[in-house]
Amino acid sequence: DIQLTQSPSSLSASVGDRVTITCRASQNIAGFLNWYQHKPGKVPKVLIYGASTLQDGVPSRFSGAGSGTDFTLTITSLQTEDYATYYCQQSYTTGRFSFGPGTKVDIK
Amino acid sequence: DVQLVESGGGLVQPGGSLRLSCIVSGSTFSDYSMNWVRQAPGKGLEWISYISSDHSTIFYEDSVKGRFTISRDNAKNALHLQMTNLRADDTAVYYCAAKEGDFWSGFYYRFDYWGQGSLVTGSS
Repeated sequence: DIQLTQSPSSLSASVGDRVTITCRASQNIAGFLNWYQHKPGKVPKVLIYGASTLQDGVPSRFSGAGSGTDFTLTITSLQTEDYATYYCQQSYTTGRFSFGPGTKVDIK
Repeated sequence: DVQLVESGGGLVQPGGSLRLSCIVSGSTFSDYSMNWVRQAPGKGLEWISYISSDHSTIFYEDSVKGRFTISRDNAKNALHLQMTNLRADDTAVYYCAAKEGDFWSGFYYRFDYWGQGSLVTGSS
């Protein structure tokens, strides 16, 4: 099975900071990597799919990059509403739609 | 907009059973493949099951295979998860999640729409 790891597991950042989260797959998953944002008491929300395509309605300060085994999610200028936990998820393996362990972004 | 509403959660003893439901509105249910994703307390998201739009294809994560059964009733816009032989580590918020179209190899499959979640607590 494909395992996803994320780093860091948590980070503290200030409004306006540039934030980068990394997701690494245990084997090549091409570009079949999605990113989600999850806030406490809310439902998860797709930000990026296919490694780099912005979901409709998602602010352009979010971007995704990577292919193969290494992927990044970048927030170019962190806003207060961006404090959340971020998950990567792979859809490369038929019948195994695994998530990474998550990265919690909180206020510095 | 597509809306998903779960029901059926609650407290259940280890070894017990529970059936979750998810009612979908706002679009043609039979156009969507459906999933169950759970989040244990203090833990991350875990995908556990998928069913295609015409229920011809079903997948399970290994930890629930043989204990949980996913099903759907397209006439009633309903998704179900029958959970049996529940364990303490099945305690979680269970979300239904939808994607227009079915999974196929080469498709950037993701969970576009989510329900609000239903809490299942396994406790003796």
